[in-house]
Formats: sequence, C-alpha cells, structure tokens
Amino acid sequence: AQRVTQPEKLLSVFKGAPVELKCNYSYSGSPELFWYVQYSRQRLQLLLRHISRESIKGFTADLNKGETSFHLKKPFAQEEDSAMYYCALRKNAGNMLTFGGGTRLMVKP
Amino acid sequence: DVKVTQSSRYLVKRTGEKVFLECVQDMDHENMFWYRQDPGLGLRLIYFSYDVKMKEKGDIPEGYSVSREKKERFSLILESASTNQTSMYLCASSFGGESGNTIYFGEGSWLTVV
Repeated sequence: AQRVTQPEKLLSVFKGAPVELKCNYSYSGSPELFWYVQYSRQRLQLLLRHISRESIKGFTADLNKGETSFHLKKPFAQEEDSAMYYCALRKNAGNMLTFGGGTRLMVKP
Repeated sequence: DVKVTQSSRYLVKRTGEKVFLECVQDMDHENMFWYRQDPGLGLRLIYFSYDVKMKEKGDIPEGYSVSREKKERFSLILESASTNQTSMYLCASSFGGESGNTIYFGEGSWLTVV
C-alpha cells in the first residue's frame, strides 16, 4: 500500500531563511505527487504538483524517484508562508489521494 | 471559482446519536470525497464517490456510511456516533476521467462527540 511520510510535525525558521519541508513516499508504481497548503482559517488548497514543474509563491518541489522524495523548498521564507503543509500522493490509475501527516511551518519575523 | 460547501461548520453530538454531514459542490464534479483530519495523522480518506449512487471505501470507513443521490451532494453518515469520531471532517470534489484533476476542499466541519 502507498504511504506518505512527513518527518517533521513543526518547522520553525526566521524570515528570509531557506526552508525545506520533507516528504518521502512509498509506492511501487508511478505516482503523482502534490503539495497542499492550509493557511489559518482557510480551506486546504493545492500549492503545486510535480507534473507541472512550476514554482508557486516561490516554492518548488522536485520528484526524486531514486530517493522516493518530494521535498518542498523555498530559498527565502516569508511570514505569510506560515501554514500547515501536506504532501499527497495519487496512484497512477486512481482519483484518491493519500496524505502525509502534515508539517506546520512557522516563519518568525 | 469552485465552491465546495459544508453546511455545518460546528456540531456537538452525544454518543450514540446519528449524525449527518452534508456537502454540496457547484462545479458538476463527478468525484466527491470525505476525509477526516487529525493532528499528526494528516488527512485520511473515509469514502469516495465517482458517480451518483457509486461509492468506494477509503482507508478508514468503519463506523461511517455515505449517500450520493444527486451529483452535487455527498453526505457522510455516522450511524452511532462515538467519542473517537470527534474530528474535523473535510469534503472534497474533482472532475473524473484522467487522474490529473485538481481536488477542491470545503472549509470543514468540526464534530465533537460527547
């Protein structure tokens, strides 16, 4: 069965510092990987997906199949990046997402 | 904009009560989902529906059932609520077909079972 692991429950950085939120997955097939974000008092929303290979709000994530990882990175964190971040995996033939446990990012001034 | 609406934001129910959580989406999405969100556990899929009257069990279906009589509406039912079902429940929807479609979430329903 597929699994998504986010080893850090809380990540605290200072404004302007680089940030990396870790995500590892286990799945024998060809997965789709996503990052979802939930800001305070807002609904969960898609941040980015690996197939788009895009940068959203300065965040990027590269799928590393050798290490089965999909870490989320941003070179200079902003206070407005403070939120709950979830990594998610979708099987190549399905519509259901499997989520990691989430990482709370706190960016201090 | 896609709108996924969960009618009840906060509920308090007694152990043993039957609980209905309602979800409506306005984008003619084929797929609808119910997740529960717990600290440290992330989101876990309870049930998934890919069409009217069609459903599939997710990872934690025990103690829950669902109903999809109309395309836009997906209901989660707790037949006999228990305290371990106290949680945040998230409804979501997406288009069907290819697996690359974005999933949109509702604002969530906080359920407390006492």
